[in-house]
Amino acid sequence: EAGVAQSPRYKIIEKRQSVAFWCNPISGHATLYWYQQILGQGPKLLIQFQNNGVVDDSQLPKDRFSAERLKGVDSTLKIQPAKLEDSAVYLCASSSTTGVNSPLHFGNGTRLTVT
Amino acid sequence: AQSVTQPDIHITVSEGASLELRCNYSYGATPYLFWYVQSPGQGLQLLLKYFSGDTLVQGIKGFEAEFKRSQSSFNLRKPSVHWSDAAEYFCAVGPEPTSYGKLTFGQGTILTVHP
Repeated sequence: EAGVAQSPRYKIIEKRQSVAFWCNPISGHATLYWYQQILGQGPKLLIQFQNNGVVDDSQLPKDRFSAERLKGVDSTLKIQPAKLEDSAVYLCASSSTTGVNSPLHFGNGTRLTVT
Repeated sequence: AQSVTQPDIHITVSEGASLELRCNYSYGATPYLFWYVQSPGQGLQLLLKYFSGDTLVQGIKGFEAEFKRSQSSFNLRKPSVHWSDAAEYFCAVGPEPTSYGKLTFGQGTILTVHP
């Protein structure tokens, strides 16, 4: 099966600019997650979708970050305006459900550098 | 709040030597524990998980981990390391098995393997 696809792989922007990341999960996977991985740290969950509804966005900085998953398939994560501290790898993951036999499948991530 | 500590930021071993990566967690209830591996430029891959039952769990690629409640630890081991095992390893804890994506990750341990 095809894996989780993310684009772009790399992005360099200046602070205060906006940026968007795209994720296409594994076909049929109902649950989609966006993680932020800052250099030297473990991934941190930003938002979780179940189909096209938000399940958990408690750690999403909503003043600048937004995410959507229209039609319950692919998803976009946007940052506007970006800050220096947003430099990180943004990982998308999906799972068929949220059950015990539904492990996460991660994409390769988008590396964002904010200058 | 739950937390995960990986005391070793960087470990170097020789190929063929044994390996143990440490993980300590803090969680008020029964933890659900995971180990993930991340190769450079790649997403995370699940090595193994512990939910209940036998405290010694086997994973992929010859890895195993032992859950020790008294020590709040979930250390990862491999009897003989291969050069391809060089990567970053993350321990993670979740509140319940249905919250596969709502994981708290440690900061990671980078493994270097010398030939």
